[in-house]
Amino acid sequence: DTGVSQNPRHKITKRGQNVTFRCDPISEHNRLYWYRQTLGQGPEFLTYFQNEAQLEKSRLLSDRFSAERPKGSFSTLEIQRTEQGDSAMYLCASSTHSGATNEKLFFGSGTQLSVL
Amino acid sequence: GDSVTQMEGPVTLSEEAFLTINCTYTATGYPSLFWYVQYPGEGLQLLLKATKADDKGSNKGFEATYRKETTSFHLEKGSVQVSDSAVYFCALGSQGNLIFGKGTKLSVKP
Repeated sequence: DTGVSQNPRHKITKRGQNVTFRCDPISEHNRLYWYRQTLGQGPEFLTYFQNEAQLEKSRLLSDRFSAERPKGSFSTLEIQRTEQGDSAMYLCASSTHSGATNEKLFFGSGTQLSVL
Repeated sequence: GDSVTQMEGPVTLSEEAFLTINCTYTATGYPSLFWYVQYPGEGLQLLLKATKADDKGSNKGFEATYRKETTSFHLEKGSVQVSDSAVYFCALGSQGNLIFGKGTKLSVKP
């Protein structure tokens, strides 16, 4: 178990550029989640996948945000035409879904995005 | 909608002091309740959880009881250590779609 891995750890970009983050979940985990955390706030749910299917995406912050998990393993989160308000820590988490309502999430260390 | 409110920090305690971090929630239905902890430089980790009313979650000397009548899930520890210094998040939800509080930073001084 190598844990949830996120890359890059830090990303600095100029406003208007596109950015893409990668998340590698724990290998046997079938669920993958994306959260966003701004300074002084708790994580905010964005979207999640079960295997390759994206089961919830209505919480994505705008149509500039999109996520994929094409083979049910790693996932990418893309932000198009970045804005300064997108600056935040983007967190990925994974879990094994067994039908229980109290599944344990394993979080990565996050990607810190700074939009200049 | 559902929400979580936790006491604002930072909280500074001396080693071996008693800790309480208050958390109250608003929810429709019967969500599970969680405390997550974030140590400096690390990712969020589940500390403890409770799935129904009157359940008590416990781990590493921390405990919290799911109180439906007061809609609370306060975190307690009888004797904190320097190594407990971290940010603590209360959360509710199910199926991994969690709603988090803003977090409470705890600093424990030797």
